Amino acid sequence: DVKVTQSSRYLVKRTGEKVFLECVQDMDHENMFWYRQDPGLGLRLIYFSYDVKMKEKGDIPEGYSVSREKKERFSLILESASTNQTSMYLCASSPRQGAGQPQHFGDGTRLSIL
Amino acid sequence: AQSVTQLDSQVPVFEEAPVELRCNYSSSVSVYLFWYVQYPNQGLQLLLKYLSGSTLVKGINGFEAEFNKSQTSFHLRKPSVHISDTAEYFCAVRRHFSNTGNQFYFGTGTSLTVIP
Repeated sequence: DVKVTQSSRYLVKRTGEKVFLECVQDMDHENMFWYRQDPGLGLRLIYFSYDVKMKEKGDIPEGYSVSREKKERFSLILESASTNQTSMYLCASSPRQGAGQPQHFGDGTRLSIL
Repeated sequence: AQSVTQLDSQVPVFEEAPVELRCNYSSSVSVYLFWYVQYPNQGLQLLLKYLSGSTLVKGINGFEAEFNKSQTSFHLRKPSVHISDTAEYFCAVRRHFSNTGNQFYFGTGTSLTVIP
């Protein structure tokens, strides 16, 4: 089974801090994704990566950056955390090709910015 | 452009009753459709997927979905729900791009609450 592991289930940080969320997958997937999930808004794509060192902006990239130095690891960075970034963050991975290949998700990180 | 619409944000249903969660999509190309379930404080798990062939797709936990091309719908159904089906359900569509590969577009989710 594919395993997508997010480093923290719960995280509390202060306004202005630089925050790192880590995600690791063990199935050699080319594509990795970061979403935030808020009530009534569903999943919104922040950034995705389709190869090492390659990234694309999603729908809401403002205030975030990402890093993919190794294929299995995709990091989300909040440069200067703000209270409106309090949310559930979900990481996912998928093969780059293959019509029937779904995304595989981690358990999420619930981030609170105080 | 891709979009997915889940028409009901919340669906309460009594235990052992049938349920239908609605999903409509818009796409100008071939579609590959997915339903995911999210239990409280967990990530999303794949329930079922439609790629081609039979329009009725069976998934895990007794769920099934029917692809209707003329109505651009992919509604999820279960004939008899259990308390354990209480969760958030997401419909998604996949599109492939030559440079970046598979991309997925999600609906806003439907919260299913099963009432004892």
